[in-house]
Amino acid sequence: KQEVTQIPAALSVPEGENLVLNCSFTDSAIYNLQWFRQDPGKGLTSLLLIQSSQREQTSGRLNASLDKSSGRSTLYIAASQPGDSATYLCAPAGGTSYGKLTFGQGTILTVHP
Amino acid sequence: DAGITQSPRHKVTETGTPVTLRCHQTENHRYMYWYRQDPGHGLRLIHYSYGVKDTDKGEVSDGYSVSRSKTEDFLLTLESATSSQTSVYFCAISDKSSTDTQYFGPGTRLTVL
Repeated sequence: KQEVTQIPAALSVPEGENLVLNCSFTDSAIYNLQWFRQDPGKGLTSLLLIQSSQREQTSGRLNASLDKSSGRSTLYIAASQPGDSATYLCAPAGGTSYGKLTFGQGTILTVHP
Repeated sequence: DAGITQSPRHKVTETGTPVTLRCHQTENHRYMYWYRQDPGHGLRLIHYSYGVKDTDKGEVSDGYSVSRSKTEDFLLTLESATSSQTSVYFCAISDKSSTDTQYFGPGTRLTVL
């Protein structure tokens, strides 16, 4: 069974900092990995999908990397802003979950002015 | 935003009563999913559908049933609600594959007294 761990559980940074969120997973036989953000009381918003054959995927100030063999992904956020405050979730698809997403517990990010 | 609506958005019910949650999409996506989100457990897949009348179980399907009679609607039924089913329920959709980007609805907060 796929297990997903996100570190740190919570992070508080001043505006403007670059930061890295970490995700590790136990079953490396994945098809892809998705990163989501969730604002309080809201649904999830897809940020990036990185295929198992890719090493990196970029969208604006976000960059996701994937090291499938070691079971790790990172989400890099450049020049953080207060509007980036949210919970960030990673979800690998595949392995023993037969293509379905397995979610981590998330990293709660607070960016203060 | 993907056209996904959930109804009701909030519901309070009593133990032993039946409850049906509705997910409606306007994207004509093939796959639809029901998740529940609980503190300490994260998001877990309940059931999913890969086409009209085609459904399968997820990780936490006990006590739940689903139906999909039209592409746009996916219903989740709790036949006899229990307090352990108090949760926030999210519907999601993906286009051609379970490994495509998933788009989430706004969620339904269900409280079972």
